[in-house]
Amino acid sequence: AQKVTQAQTEISVVEKEDVTLDCVYETRDTTYYLFWYKQPPSGELVFLIRRNSFDEQNEISGRYSWNFQKSTSSFNFTITASQVVDSAVYFCALSEAPNTGNQFYFGTGTSLTVIP
Amino acid sequence: GAGVSQSPSNKVTEKGKDVELRCDPISGHTALYWYRQSLGQGLEFLIYFQGNSAPDKSGLPSDRFSAERTGGSVSTLTIQRTQQEDSAVYLCASSSPSTGRRPGTQYFGPGTRLLVL
Repeated sequence: AQKVTQAQTEISVVEKEDVTLDCVYETRDTTYYLFWYKQPPSGELVFLIRRNSFDEQNEISGRYSWNFQKSTSSFNFTITASQVVDSAVYFCALSEAPNTGNQFYFGTGTSLTVIP
Repeated sequence: GAGVSQSPSNKVTEKGKDVELRCDPISGHTALYWYRQSLGQGLEFLIYFQGNSAPDKSGLPSDRFSAERTGGSVSTLTIQRTQQEDSAVYLCASSSPSTGRRPGTQYFGPGTRLLVL
């Protein structure tokens, strides 16, 4: 079963619009960590955020904000006032409490295109 | 500060040949991961090294794939008798030691683009 689901394969928005990227995860662990990464056209994945399962407080960093809801097993990512430079593939990832390892599970990514 | 580096950045090989891909993790990072990303796809976990522990090889797709990590630092991913379906970007990531049950954040290298003709 897919542990991390990013149902939106591709999204296009016009510059300055807000956009939300969805991430739904599945785990039986009570302690886990969620991540978002950005992969611009250059190809290198860039770490954006890490949240642990005990901290449901939403986080804002500039134009980026994250909405973590354990009740719906979701960790959605919103970009406010999108810019062309936000065009990239965004990956959500889950790391379960490492008992025997520290494997990460990545979603299939959402390709965001911001149209000028 | 140096990030994760990978070499070569691009590799073109003929079907049936062996290839070696190299990853230099961030200094001090004890965990190292290899992933494969096929065109337009997500990340496929291949193998994970943590310190001196036995590696987690559960993601290796076949026995043609192997990896080693020498001295707890540099890692080499080897693909023997390459096939066309091996064409992909191979990404390496490293992370700092886990703190208790808290995993370190993974930092990725630029990847090696492998094309098997």
